[in-house]
Amino acid sequence: AQTVTQSQPEMSVQEAETVTLSCTYDTSESNYYLFWYKQPPSRQMILVIRQEAYKQQNATENRFSVNFQKAAKSFSLKISDSQLGDTAMYFCAFMKRGGSNYKLTFGKGTLLTVNP
Amino acid sequence: GAGVSQSPSNKVTEKGKDVELRCDPISGHTALYWYRQSLGQGLEFLIYFQGNSAPDKSGLPSDRFSAERTGGSVSTLTIQRTQQEDSAVYLCASSLVVGGGYEQYFGPGTRLTVT
Repeated sequence: AQTVTQSQPEMSVQEAETVTLSCTYDTSESNYYLFWYKQPPSRQMILVIRQEAYKQQNATENRFSVNFQKAAKSFSLKISDSQLGDTAMYFCAFMKRGGSNYKLTFGKGTLLTVNP
Repeated sequence: GAGVSQSPSNKVTEKGKDVELRCDPISGHTALYWYRQSLGQGLEFLIYFQGNSAPDKSGLPSDRFSAERTGGSVSTLTIQRTQQEDSAVYLCASSLVVGGGYEQYFGPGTRLTVT
């Protein structure tokens, strides 16, 4: 079974600054996907960024980028130029690439507050 | 097009009553998923559908929980004889196909409160 750990229950950052959210995972799988989802107060989970484990290059999406360290089983999210709208719960998630590759296993989440 | 919709948005029920939660996936998405989000357990996978078939029901917490999907579209999650520990937000998601790392698009969830 896979486990995902987010060790920072809460974080805060000033608007326009950079913040990094941590995520580690444990798996015996060699092929998988990793995701960061954002959940604002509206409750709707929104995909922020996706990483395929077989790709060495770190994924980036505008102000969002990841630092994927496969050997260390680490997958952190960096948010640059933080905006007030980035305030939300952020969840790290894992999905196998084969077999029962349909379910997301989530971490407990990190509540990020962006202060003006 | 429209995203995933869920109804009701909030539901308060008395212990022992049955409840039905509805999910309308994105049109054309063959895969549909149910998750539960609670303070104690975080986000848990419950069940998924490929078309109208549910190959894996092992995530359902007890036999009081059941789900069906009709016409490859709408899905209903039913909880019989609700208990207080069933209080949670129930999230539905859909994706174009199962697996393959395809993005799961989530609905806004149904907040269930059992009194």
